[in-house]
Amino acid sequence: DGGITQSPKYLFRKEGQNVTLSCEQNLNHDAMYWYRQDPGQGLRLIYYSQIVNDFQKGDIAEGYSVSREKKESFPLTVTSAQKNPTAFYLCASSRTPWGELFFGEGSRLTVL
Amino acid sequence: EDQVTQSPEALRLQEGESSSLNCSYTVSGLRGLFWYRQDPGKGPEFLFTLYSAGEEKEKERLKATLTKKESFLHITAPKPEDSATYLCAVGAYGSSNTGKLIFGQGTTLQVKP
Repeated sequence: DGGITQSPKYLFRKEGQNVTLSCEQNLNHDAMYWYRQDPGQGLRLIYYSQIVNDFQKGDIAEGYSVSREKKESFPLTVTSAQKNPTAFYLCASSRTPWGELFFGEGSRLTVL
Repeated sequence: EDQVTQSPEALRLQEGESSSLNCSYTVSGLRGLFWYRQDPGKGPEFLFTLYSAGEEKEKERLKATLTKKESFLHITAPKPEDSATYLCAVGAYGSSNTGKLIFGQGTTLQVKP
């Protein structure tokens, strides 16, 4: 079955550590996205990529980095510069930049 | 500034009690309005896309409608399995919003048997 796979589902990080969240899709979609979700707030866009080897900052990119070396993969690194990284992270893809989003199951990051 | 606001924040219904969720938006030019359902601890699941005022779409007990300023998600005779958070998102024209959606905060629906 086609879909988006995020891993790990749960991740614990000590302060000062970088962590990388994996996102893989086999839907053959060009566009991929990373969102952050906090309680009581809407999804906020961290980074997005509309084509391989190209990506743009979203609304809250500070403290995060991404790469898009393959169409299927869009990993997100949460760096030590991110002041409040504890959140639920969602990866998504779409066939076109304006098409409906298909989401993964999410990764919950907790900073200890 | 482009903005999407959902109301109410939370809604509790008895099974069979129909109601509506609201999504109000202010954008420079609407490219599409999307409704998603999200269960706790899961990623959102796509429900509907609406593109122009007057458009309506239905799926089982759900019906989405669109005007120039807002969208409604009508839930007819809900069942406990309809309990979830419903998210609204808007795609807007303009260079600052290329390829991006603006999400509302969501409405959490609880349907009691």
